[in-house]
Amino acid sequence: EAGVVQSPRYKIIEKKQPVAFWCNPISGHNTLYWYLQNLGQGPELLIRYENEEAVDDSQLPKDRFSAERLKGVDSTLKIQPAELGDSAVYLCASSEYMNTEAFFGQGTRLTVV
Amino acid sequence: AQKVTQAQTEISVVEKEDVTLDCVYETRDTTYYLFWYKQPPSGELVFLIRRNSFDEQNEISGRYSWNFQKSTSSFNFTITASQVVDSAVYFCALRAAGNKLTFGGGTRVLVKP
Repeated sequence: EAGVVQSPRYKIIEKKQPVAFWCNPISGHNTLYWYLQNLGQGPELLIRYENEEAVDDSQLPKDRFSAERLKGVDSTLKIQPAELGDSAVYLCASSEYMNTEAFFGQGTRLTVV
Repeated sequence: AQKVTQAQTEISVVEKEDVTLDCVYETRDTTYYLFWYKQPPSGELVFLIRRNSFDEQNEISGRYSWNFQKSTSSFNFTITASQVVDSAVYFCALRAAGNKLTFGGGTRVLVKP
């Protein structure tokens, strides 16, 4: 069974440019998470979807970040415009139910120069 | 609010030594789930174990063992007879009401040959 797939793996952009990350969760997993991981720190939740509904986006900087999960499957996270401080690893994860573990993709390492 | 604390930022051991990683959590919910993840240098978070709040039985899986104590809100992880391949960052995580998955800051384990 395929795991969580993220693309791209690496992205380098200039500040003020837009960037988008894509995530394909494990088939059948209703819950999808986007996390931000800064170097040397634990993942921090940006947004959580239950099917196509964003049920927890309190940590998402809505002035520049947006996300969508069309049809409750794939998801896209966008930053526009990117800032130097956005350089980090963006992780996508999915889980089937609340009482099951979340599986993570390999992440997208973003560098803003 | 929920919180996970991993007080040890880095532990260095010599191969074959045992190493114990501490995890202390906070939640007001009576039903919750605890997890441990491993993040090797490749970056992907790998699920190790899930525990629910009603099951305080300790668990052993090969060289890995976990000690869950509700009285002290702790879920500690021990690697017995460590190996170089155990070198990674280990994260403890908590999922409580609302399905929010919160991570600790991680403990970096360095196993020297």
